[in-house]
Amino acid sequence: GENVEQHPSTLSVQEGDSAVIKCTYSDSASNYFPWYKQELGKRPQLIIDIRSNVGEKKDQRIAVTLNKTAKHFSLHITETQPEDSAVYFCAASAGNQFYFGTGTSLTVIP
Amino acid sequence: DADVTQTPRNRITKTGKRIMLECSQTKGHDRMYWYRQDPGLGLRLIYYSFDVKDINKGEISDGYSVSRQAQAKFSLSLESAIPNQTALYFCATSDLAGTGRSTQYFGPGTRLTVL
Repeated sequence: GENVEQHPSTLSVQEGDSAVIKCTYSDSASNYFPWYKQELGKRPQLIIDIRSNVGEKKDQRIAVTLNKTAKHFSLHITETQPEDSAVYFCAASAGNQFYFGTGTSLTVIP
Repeated sequence: DADVTQTPRNRITKTGKRIMLECSQTKGHDRMYWYRQDPGLGLRLIYYSFDVKDINKGEISDGYSVSRQAQAKFSLSLESAIPNQTALYFCATSDLAGTGRSTQYFGPGTRLTVL
């Protein structure tokens, strides 16, 4: 099956700086890569996703890049704000199941 | 997302007891999933179902069973609960995974403690 690895497990940045979270996957059949944000005590919620026919996608301060050859994808958050503090999960799907990374706890220091 | 609900939200039980967690959705999605979340381990798939007659095991199905009573309802059972099943359980729904609109929508979670 698919194996998704996510790094780093924790990340602290100063407010206004950028944050980057990286994931790798093993199954070349994976073609959909969502990112979820989970605030403390809340459910995971989709913040951005990318499909395998696209190399980059941006939504305001959030962007995701995908390198199919290297089998890795990354989440980029620019101009970080305290409300960006949360746990972020990457995932990969080849059609039937979603495989999640182990999460990155992001802390934005005011 | 109020379209996916879970009951109960919190449950404390004892080793050996049978427990059922319920999930309902009004999103009209065919696909439903049960995950457990443990600190440092992310979300791990227990079971998933693509329609009422379809049930599939995920990576950690041992000790669990499920029932898809209707398109909108998917229940997770622990036949004989054990302490290492203490975790946060999430139900999720999606439409066509991997193609088209394939976003997963999560319920609010059930925090289960097995003593």
